[in-house]
Amino acid sequence: GDSVTQMEGPVTLSEEAFLTINCTYTATGYPSLFWYVQYPGEGLQLLLKATKADDKGSNKGFEATYRKETTSFHLEKGSVQVSDSAVYFCALSDLDDYKLSFGAGTTVTVRA
Amino acid sequence: DAGITQSPRYKITETGRQVTLMCHQTWSHSYMFWYRQDLGHGLRLIYYSAAADITDKGEVPDGYVVSRSKTENFPLTLESATRSQTSVYFCASSEDRDEETQYFGPGTRLLVL
Repeated sequence: GDSVTQMEGPVTLSEEAFLTINCTYTATGYPSLFWYVQYPGEGLQLLLKATKADDKGSNKGFEATYRKETTSFHLEKGSVQVSDSAVYFCALSDLDDYKLSFGAGTTVTVRA
Repeated sequence: DAGITQSPRYKITETGRQVTLMCHQTWSHSYMFWYRQDLGHGLRLIYYSAAADITDKGEVPDGYVVSRSKTENFPLTLESATRSQTSVYFCASSEDRDEETQYFGPGTRLLVL
């Protein structure tokens, strides 16, 4: 079945550092790929998405490119802020009934 | 306010009791989902629904029951709670023109003693 593997955390960074969180997937066909973010005490929010190979999703300074050849969707941000401290989830969408398969989540802490 | 709400936000119960977690959305989205979040497992799908009166099992449905008599409501019932069902439960919905993107509620934190 479909599955997502993402980099284990926790990750601790200083403000203005570069962030990358690795995500790889296994799926039949060509699913859509997502990054969701969960701030402390809240539900998940969509951060960005990409629906086909070579698409780049971007939002709030974060970017991720759908790489079919490496089955990857790594999340990057060039200069993180304290407010980026959260748990980040990579996910893919089942094409038949829109179920999402999530990675285990990566906790990111940004220190001032 | 418009959106997706869950109640209660926090619940403590005892083993063997029945518990119902409520989920309500004001968007009239067709698809709704229930997930549980456990450390090290990310989110796992319990049940989902494509429309009123249509429900289907997800990855971890055992011990749970759902119903969807109205489009806007999707309650999740633990028929006889067990300690292994201690978790954070999230409800989500997706809109008809972009079914892949899900919108999540704030979650219910459940402790089974």
